[in-house]
Amino acid sequence: GAVVSQHPSWVICKSGTSVKIECRSLDFQATTMFWYRQFPKQSLMLMATSNEGSKATYEQGVEKDKFLINHASLTLSTLTVTSAHPEDSSFYICSARELRLAEETQYFGPGTRLLVL
Amino acid sequence: AQSVTQLDSHVSVSEGTPVLLRCNYSSSYSPSLFWYVQHPNKGLQLLLKYTSAATLVKGINGFEAEFKKSETSFHLTKPSAHMSDAAEYFCVVPTGGGNKLTFGTGTQLKVEL
Repeated sequence: GAVVSQHPSWVICKSGTSVKIECRSLDFQATTMFWYRQFPKQSLMLMATSNEGSKATYEQGVEKDKFLINHASLTLSTLTVTSAHPEDSSFYICSARELRLAEETQYFGPGTRLLVL
Repeated sequence: AQSVTQLDSHVSVSEGTPVLLRCNYSSSYSPSLFWYVQHPNKGLQLLLKYTSAATLVKGINGFEAEFKKSETSFHLTKPSAHMSDAAEYFCVVPTGGGNKLTFGTGTQLKVEL
């Protein structure tokens, strides 16, 4: 149980284009989903917290107009990197917290590697 | 605010020897604590979690961790390393009232023959 998927697993795009990444909880309902980015050989940094049906909460320094987050249902959240630039190249990881459990455990997706040329 | 410090960025052990990955926490109270593992190009997997029920926590794949309040530590151990244990390990603490996770800087474990 508690499986989270991400699609695509990797993407290469040209500078200036937009890229959408999907995060799905496959066998549970997620009240909250989280988006992280991880640069090579570094730790995960939380970008934003997404609650179903409401606006995402962004961490300090993360541009909300650049990283659009939509959490349309209890099993799907999307991250859109708008007008991508090479410095946006990174490993993007989502996680989800289960609805019925009042605890802090997050279940992580396998990540999406983005390369902007 | 709660935070964690992983004392070693890299640890190298021989297969069959014990593993020790160190983590110290900073908190005004006894927090929940987690260890996650990340294999190359894969998502993070929860190894174990401490939630104040018992100070010695057993996780998956033979790993365990002991919460020591007097030392503010939550070190991860395994009696005998296997090649498949080679990965990045993160010590993690919930923050923001439990609504977020804050990750340590990670420890890269290398297992040699």
